[in-house]
Amino acid sequence: EAQVTQNPRYLITVTGKKLTVTCSQNMNHEYMSWYRQDPGLGLRQIYYSMNVEVTDKGDVPEGYKVSRKEKRNFPLILESPSPNQTSLYFCASSLVIRQPQHFGDGTRLSIL
Amino acid sequence: KQEVTQIPAALSVPEGENLVLNCSFTDSAIYNLQWFRQDPGKGLTSLLLIQSSQREQTSGRLNASLDKSSGRSTLYIAASQPGDSATYLCAVWDAGNNRKLIWGLGTSLAVNP
Repeated sequence: EAQVTQNPRYLITVTGKKLTVTCSQNMNHEYMSWYRQDPGLGLRQIYYSMNVEVTDKGDVPEGYKVSRKEKRNFPLILESPSPNQTSLYFCASSLVIRQPQHFGDGTRLSIL
Repeated sequence: KQEVTQIPAALSVPEGENLVLNCSFTDSAIYNLQWFRQDPGKGLTSLLLIQSSQREQTSGRLNASLDKSSGRSTLYIAASQPGDSATYLCAVWDAGNNRKLIWGLGTSLAVNP
């Protein structure tokens, strides 16, 4: 089954404790993206990747890192999480840029 | 700067009604426009994609139209069902910044039995 898998689905953690949200797709997609969704602000792009080893900043990259060492994986790293990063996070992928994106089920992060 | 607006923010209708969701964008220079559905606790599901050269796309009971010159798109849902209850989001691939989607805030739809 074609899917984008995010882990964990839920996480409560404390300020400053490094965490990684994994994202994996099984569709051989080139384009991958991370979003955060906040009430009243909608979906905002954090980082995107056009292909392996090619990543770039989106609208709100501060406090986040990504890597794309393999085509299928696109982890999101919070090196020193802060409460303002409490949000619902989505990973998405598409075959190439501008094609319909497939989304993961989301990761709800709470930073205390 | 491209902006996407969806009105209304919320809509409640009885089952069986035909309904229209609206999306407007400020800059007509787009590559395509996409409609998504978001269910609570789930990710987004792509519904329809309309290329900038197209006027409409249909999938089952859904029909999306695009009027690029006026900066508008509509999503028409025929014979609505309770299972259609979800948030519907509109997004455009902006030709000025063609590496990301520009999102609206969505319309929350409730279809009542």
